[in-house]
Amino acid sequence: TQLLEQSPQFLSIQEGENLTVYCNSSSVFSSLQWYRQEPGEGPVLLVTVVTGGEVKKLKRLTFQFGDARKDSSLHITAAQPGDTGLYLCAGTGGYQKVTFGTGTKLQVIP
Amino acid sequence: SQTIHQWPATLVQPVGSPLSLECTVEGTSNPNLYWYRQAAGRGLQLLFYSVGIGQISSEVPQNLSASRPQDRQFILSSKKLLLSDSGFYLCAWSELAGAGYEQFFGPGTRLTVL
Repeated sequence: TQLLEQSPQFLSIQEGENLTVYCNSSSVFSSLQWYRQEPGEGPVLLVTVVTGGEVKKLKRLTFQFGDARKDSSLHITAAQPGDTGLYLCAGTGGYQKVTFGTGTKLQVIP
Repeated sequence: SQTIHQWPATLVQPVGSPLSLECTVEGTSNPNLYWYRQAAGRGLQLLFYSVGIGQISSEVPQNLSASRPQDRQFILSSKKLLLSDSGFYLCAWSELAGAGYEQFFGPGTRLTVL
């Protein structure tokens, strides 16, 4: 069974601070996605990383896929209240199976 | 462009009653379809997925079932709801895109079983 553990589980920070969310597994994934979900809505895809060591930037968000394709991180620079939400990583492994992480709930206080 | 619809948006049902949640996708053909359940503020639990009409794979044994009567229609059902069936149900679709299986989610159904 492939498991994806996210840390921290909860994060409450002031506007303007930086933060990093981690997504770790003992399994290798062919690709990894990050999603953001707001309360009462479905998750929205932010990015997909495919190559080990790959770094992608989306405005103030930086995503990195581990060299061994077992882990990933999401770094937010100068967080804003609009970044508040539940962040989910998801890895694609064998047999087209997608495993979602445990989630990180972020609150950015104005 | 592709869109995904789910209904109803919210549902309150008594224990022991039946359930039918519907999901439809527009703007794509032969999508992979998924049903997930989510506990408050937590990750997603995959319940069922389908790679084609009439093809259903179950991930978690429970009193729920799924059907795919048409290419872009996915239905989640139960004959008798349990209290533990309460939660936020999400339908999603995907298609093979390179090496990734990016999923696109519907707005969800909030189910409360009393």
